[in-house]
Amino acid sequence: GESVGLHLPTLSVQEGDNSIINCAYSNSASDYFIWYKQESGKGPQFIIDIRSNMDKRQGQRVTVLLNKTVKHLSLQIAATQPGDSAVYFCAEKYSGYSTLTFGKGTMLLVSP
Amino acid sequence: GVSQSPSNKVTEKGKDVELRCDPISEHNRLYWYRQTLGQGPEFLTYFQNEAQLEKSRLLSDRFSAERPKGSFSTLEIQRTEQGDSAMYLCASSSSRGATNEKLFFGSGTQLSVL
Repeated sequence: GESVGLHLPTLSVQEGDNSIINCAYSNSASDYFIWYKQESGKGPQFIIDIRSNMDKRQGQRVTVLLNKTVKHLSLQIAATQPGDSAVYFCAEKYSGYSTLTFGKGTMLLVSP
Repeated sequence: GVSQSPSNKVTEKGKDVELRCDPISEHNRLYWYRQTLGQGPEFLTYFQNEAQLEKSRLLSDRFSAERPKGSFSTLEIQRTEQGDSAMYLCASSSSRGATNEKLFFGSGTQLSVL
């Protein structure tokens, strides 16, 4: 969803649940996508990335899905743990552009 | 990893500040981003080796960044304004390899202008 000012979209889950965080990206010419996790007071930490020639990529407990038709990216976290609580950002790289453009972020809250 | 200093900086409006970034040693690309509360990082500028290749329109003429020897970088903000208060993030990457777009971030410098 859209965030306004300080109000981040928030996803609240129970420990052990699977979490799905969604991201709508802006540019159909983007050829690389990446998810970062950011804990309070820290810099973004890499989670997983995917190129536009793929539609799914799996890591350890995480899966990224890419739907280019509707310009949608999702991050699935299996068996969510309290340590997964953070703000999650998707970012895209436009073809021919030198750096990443970030979305607004989603806060994930995991309760024990 | 990427190291930034200081981690926190409080200054008065009108003063100059300098932020430092030490990238991962084998990385030839270095980026500065700015992040305000509740927002994603916004691109400011980018170096490949010592050359500053791109600057965002967000980077007003009060901001200047250098990377003199292609290693560490400094971001100087002159005549700070309260609107400059933000987390300043540095990231680095390598132009070589299959995932050269992946940025590795430092923990940032939280700048507060009073």
